[in-house]
Amino acid sequence: NAGVTQTPKFQVLKTGQSMTLQCAQDMNHEYMSWYRQDPGMGLRLIHYSVGAGITDQGEVPNGYNVSRSTTEDFPLRLLSAAPSQTSVYFCASQDAGEETQYFGPGTRLLVL
Amino acid sequence: AQRVTQPEKLLSVFKGAPVELKCNYSYSGSPELFWYVQYSRQRLQLLLRHISRESIKGFTADLNKGETSFHLKKPFAQEEDSAMYYCALKTGANNLFFGTGTRLTVIP
Repeated sequence: NAGVTQTPKFQVLKTGQSMTLQCAQDMNHEYMSWYRQDPGMGLRLIHYSVGAGITDQGEVPNGYNVSRSTTEDFPLRLLSAAPSQTSVYFCASQDAGEETQYFGPGTRLLVL
Repeated sequence: AQRVTQPEKLLSVFKGAPVELKCNYSYSGSPELFWYVQYSRQRLQLLLRHISRESIKGFTADLNKGETSFHLKKPFAQEEDSAMYYCALKTGANNLFFGTGTRLTVIP
């Protein structure tokens, strides 16, 4: 199992550009989530999904969209990037019967 | 609203010394707490969960509802314990609310 994979590893955007951060898991986990990690602020939940076709907002959803068309994939879209979205983004997944969240390696995003 | 407080951003201890990473929480529901760890160049991973009351890599953590704390302890620190440690509170669904983290450095 590859676990949770994220692409790209690093991305530079200009203000106003759009892009999609990819996240995939091969563990058949129903729950998936996106966090952003900023210095001094820990990890904050952006969006989450409890299954295919179901998504909901987390603590800091503004500026981000998500969809969950399959169990495996949970992409995060930035429609119009802003410098405030410069951060490290982590995707995670969890099985319904477990207490452990499995994290991806992260995507480092720089918005100029 | 929920809150997870880790008062120490940085903590340095000597090898072999005891270590305690503090975590306090505020939550209106029944708390479920976790410690996650991120070693250098590795993914964030679960270290401990309060429900299992287990000891992992020599670390233990006890949930104290009276003091609303979930401090992480180890009697003898090792160099390989150097990492970033996050305390996390489970809220709705499987959502985790993280503290700001403590970077532990074990000095040889």
